[in-house]
Amino acid sequence: NAGVTQTPKFQVLKTGQSMTLQCAQDMNHEYMSWYRQDPGMGLRLIHYSVGAGITDQGEVPNGYNVSRSTTEDFPLRLLSAAPSQTSVYFCASSLRADSNQPQHFGDGTRLSIL
Amino acid sequence: AQTVTQSQPEMSVQEAETVTLSCTYDTSESNYYLFWYKQPPSRQMILVIRQEAYKQQNATENRFSVNFQKAAKSFSLKISDSQLGDTAMYFCAFCVTGTYKYIFGTGTRLKVLA
Repeated sequence: NAGVTQTPKFQVLKTGQSMTLQCAQDMNHEYMSWYRQDPGMGLRLIHYSVGAGITDQGEVPNGYNVSRSTTEDFPLRLLSAAPSQTSVYFCASSLRADSNQPQHFGDGTRLSIL
Repeated sequence: AQTVTQSQPEMSVQEAETVTLSCTYDTSESNYYLFWYKQPPSRQMILVIRQEAYKQQNATENRFSVNFQKAAKSFSLKISDSQLGDTAMYFCAFCVTGTYKYIFGTGTRLKVLA
């Protein structure tokens, strides 16, 4: 199993550009989520999904869109990139959408907005 | 608002010694789950240990154990016989049952010294 795969690993964007961060898992996990990690702030939940076709907002959803058309994929879209969105982004998944399930994380995407 | 506080930004410990990382959280809910994750320099997040709030017995995983004090809302991580490979950022996290939203602390950077 590949686990949770994130692409790309690094990306530089200009302010106002849009892009999609890809996340795929091959473990048939029900729950998927996106976090951003900023220095001194830990991980903050952006959006999450408890199953195909179901998504919801986390702590910091503004400026980001998600969709979950399949169990495997959970892309994160930046609509109009801003310097404040410079961060490391992590995708995670867990077997069930129960709160006691440990999450499996991808390797992260380092995103810089100029 | 639910929060997680890790009051020790950085810690160091001699190889083979024991170290305790502190974590406190704030919630008015009674059913939740607590986690410790490790993020080594390679950046990938790995689950270290988890605890169900309804269980009084403290969780243990090999050299890692927790001291869970529900009334005090405290969830500290003890690492025994520290190894160089334990050098990492450690994050405390919790999730209230049924919310599907994981709240992370800001992390403690642990360095194990040879």
